[in-house]
Amino acid sequence: NAGVTQTPKFRVLKTGQSMTLLCAQDMNHEYMYWYRQDPGMGLRLIHYSVGEGTTAKGEVPDGYNVSRLKKQNFLLGLESAAPSQTSVYFCASSYSIARSRAYEQYFGPGTRLTVT
Amino acid sequence: KQEVTQIPAALSVPEGENLVLNCSFTDSAIYNLQWFRQDPGKGLTSLLLIQSSQREQTSGRLNASLDKSSGRSTLYIAASQPGDSATYLCAVPPSGNTGKLIFGQGTTLQVKP
Repeated sequence: NAGVTQTPKFRVLKTGQSMTLLCAQDMNHEYMYWYRQDPGMGLRLIHYSVGEGTTAKGEVPDGYNVSRLKKQNFLLGLESAAPSQTSVYFCASSYSIARSRAYEQYFGPGTRLTVT
Repeated sequence: KQEVTQIPAALSVPEGENLVLNCSFTDSAIYNLQWFRQDPGKGLTSLLLIQSSQREQTSGRLNASLDKSSGRSTLYIAASQPGDSATYLCAVPPSGNTGKLIFGQGTTLQVKP
């Protein structure tokens, strides 16, 4: 099992450019998430998905869009990149533990994005 | 609103010492608490998950406990090693919600040989 993978690992964008970050998981998890991690701010949820074809906003959704056309993939898009979006982006997926309402999350290795 | 606090923010200990990392949360109506490890420049690795019905979980030299009523969890690391040096994060679901997680700022641990 590869677990959660993210593409690309690094990217440099100019202000105003667009890009898509790809997250893939091979664990058949229903839930998937996109976070950003910034010094002093910790991990913050951007968007998440509770299943194929569904998405929802997290704590810091502005400037980002997402899509979950296939259960195993979760895409994060930046339509017009801004320097404030310079960050490390993490994707995660989770499953619900049988006979409980607990969920365990697994993370990808991250994408380091710099917007100049 | 759920808030998670981790104390201390940083810790430096000599190799072999037993140590405790603390995590507190404001809303005790949680279904689970998860501890993660993050090495510099890497993603988060899940260490332990404690369900609300459990008081503790153990994995090797790691033991995590959960006291829902007081809104606290501790991560105990026995016989620390330089390879344990990393940032440790705890996370709990937000108030009234499952699936999502709210993270603490983490404790950065340095174990000196």
